[in-house]
Amino acid sequence: ETGVTQTPRHLVMGMTNKKSLKCEQHLGHNAMYWYKQSAKKPLELMFVYNFKEQTENNSVPSRFSPECPNSSHLFLHLHTLQPEDSALYLCASSQERVRTDTQYFGPGTRLTVL
Amino acid sequence: SQQGEEDPQALSIQEGENATMNCSYKTSINNLQWYRQNSGRGLVHLILIRSNEREKHSGRLRVTLDTSKKSSSLLITASRAADTASYFCATDRSGSNYQLIWGAGTKLIIKP
Repeated sequence: ETGVTQTPRHLVMGMTNKKSLKCEQHLGHNAMYWYKQSAKKPLELMFVYNFKEQTENNSVPSRFSPECPNSSHLFLHLHTLQPEDSALYLCASSQERVRTDTQYFGPGTRLTVL
Repeated sequence: SQQGEEDPQALSIQEGENATMNCSYKTSINNLQWYRQNSGRGLVHLILIRSNEREKHSGRLRVTLDTSKKSSSLLITASRAADTASYFCATDRSGSNYQLIWGAGTKLIIKP
């Protein structure tokens, strides 16, 4: 266990559904991240939060909406997704938002969009 | 754009043999990290090597860094079935204090 939990672990949704992914870290970290991992492609950083403030949005489509109510919780709200959005969505946290920090990952949510 | 690129894409060896994976990158870095991912799970940090370091060890892991060739290698000695996983290198991104740039990974299979 890395101290980062994600729910649900698996999610199947239609293109018109609205769902949310949840991430919680029990490490006392200040930075949290959402990544998208597609088969045979590098991890894609989606969003970065530092002390609850969004500091990075890597040109992610608006159908993905992050929310960080506090330093321990991170959500990814999904609506009107496309089949190409099917992927493993990983949440990570680090002590600070610096390049030398180790990132701790959750187990991911496997998302399938029909 | 992709910074780290792992080579080979897949590697299959017998248990007990050594496994070597390589990572190449394009721009100057401050540090390079290696992570492991078991099938369908999250990534686990293995080791970080700084740009002024040439070699680092952690248990059965040995990482080297050659900044002149912009490459790094991860050696796993005396491999075990539990080492079966995908291995990723991640480098920091020039101009960004916190973004890591990831490769597509090397899938390692250890045959019993």
